[in-house]
Amino acid sequence: QKEVEQNSGPLSVPEGAIASLNCTYSDRGSQSFFWYRQYSGKSPELIMFIYSNGDKEDGRFTAQLNKASQYVSLLIRDSQPSDSATYLCAVPSGSARQLTFGSGTQLTVLP
Amino acid sequence: ETGVTQSPTHLIKTRGQQVTLRCSSQSGHNTVSWYQQALGQGPQFIFQYYREEENGRGNFPPRFSGLQFPNYSSELNVNALELDDSALYLCASSLPQLAGTDTQYFGPGTRLTVL
Repeated sequence: QKEVEQNSGPLSVPEGAIASLNCTYSDRGSQSFFWYRQYSGKSPELIMFIYSNGDKEDGRFTAQLNKASQYVSLLIRDSQPSDSATYLCAVPSGSARQLTFGSGTQLTVLP
Repeated sequence: ETGVTQSPTHLIKTRGQQVTLRCSSQSGHNTVSWYQQALGQGPQFIFQYYREEENGRGNFPPRFSGLQFPNYSSELNVNALELDDSALYLCASSLPQLAGTDTQYFGPGTRLTVL
């Protein structure tokens, strides 16, 4: 079982809709979770992190964490074509707290 | 912009050659992590340097090696290049925080192509 799993997609949503991206993780001891956005040919860009159960909102983005079910999700409200990218879920692990990434979900927002 | 810089942007090498990639961390950050990202995959952890010492290593062979300098900039060296080393190499800088909440900020990456 992979440590961090994401649906690879592609996920397509119409402009203005809510995009929902999901991530599951295997280590019950994981404390914090990160969402990165990566445009084609570019490097990952931090969107937000969450470490408490429940929701965390930042503008159009909401991260949701459920430690009992071992999943973390990212909701993007009022999706825009500029949100079209690959979204990476990452969990710190190991002695160096290195990030273990999922394979990413490719999102396309259709105008 | 994260303040993390990498050089070069692109590099083409042939199998068997050696390559050095460079990274300057964000101001105030003393930790640098290196990742390899193959096409269509998430980044894979190579190693991390903290205050000039290797602080952790992923599942990469010894021909992947690194350094961190007193100004916290870092190098990644890869010897005896193989075709499978073709990837985007990412450097991330961070400042250790309590309870694993330290955030890693990525540089623009170096695209390495091995022919």
